[in-house]
Amino acid sequence: DAKTTQPPSMDCAEGRAANLPCNHSTISGNEYVYWYRQIHSQGPQYIIHGLKNNETNEMASLIITEDRKSSTLILPHATLRDTAVYYCIVRVSYNFNKFYFGSGTKLNVKP
Amino acid sequence: DTEVTQTPKHLVMGMTNKKSLKCEQHMGHRAMYWYKQKAKKPPELMFVYSYEKLSINESVPSRFSPECPNSSLLNLHLHALQPEDSALYLCASSQGLLAAIYNEQFFGPGTRLTVL
Repeated sequence: DAKTTQPPSMDCAEGRAANLPCNHSTISGNEYVYWYRQIHSQGPQYIIHGLKNNETNEMASLIITEDRKSSTLILPHATLRDTAVYYCIVRVSYNFNKFYFGSGTKLNVKP
Repeated sequence: DTEVTQTPKHLVMGMTNKKSLKCEQHMGHRAMYWYKQKAKKPPELMFVYSYEKLSINESVPSRFSPECPNSSLLNLHLHALQPEDSALYLCASSQGLLAAIYNEQFFGPGTRLTVL
């Protein structure tokens, strides 16, 4: 699976958009980008995933560059409850669903 | 029901003890996983079960012994652990393993294990 690189931490003001970047420069054509988050002392929670098109759901938007070497997770209106570690994961669709978590980004949402 | 439950929430054990961690899901998922997470580190995959059979063992020491008695239950038997095995143990499940375009993993809250 492709390796992912994320900044270790980011700050965001409450109510503003949080943009979390992820580099996956070695991604292959059949590898999906997944985002999970882990709030302190809880299990990871699925947010969104995509292959090459931008995706949006009730939690977030995922923007994948045309060359697929990087992506950005956007939380449109961050709240204090969005403070968590956000993991970008690249997974081959047929590899027995093995998830290899990168080091993640600690997002601190501040009042 | 979209929940994965894990018991106990906390466990303290000595190096000579035998204990078990339990995981349960009622979503009809046929794939279940164990992860280990050390403090301030990402989760690391340990085992994957598919249709109650062990599919993947990520070179985990034999003092960790997984068991899948049925499609809803997953156990992790612990014996002769070391203090460095202290960690958060996470269970997850998903619909299946193969060629799924969308195969979200649902995680439980974890069992925090301390080995003295």
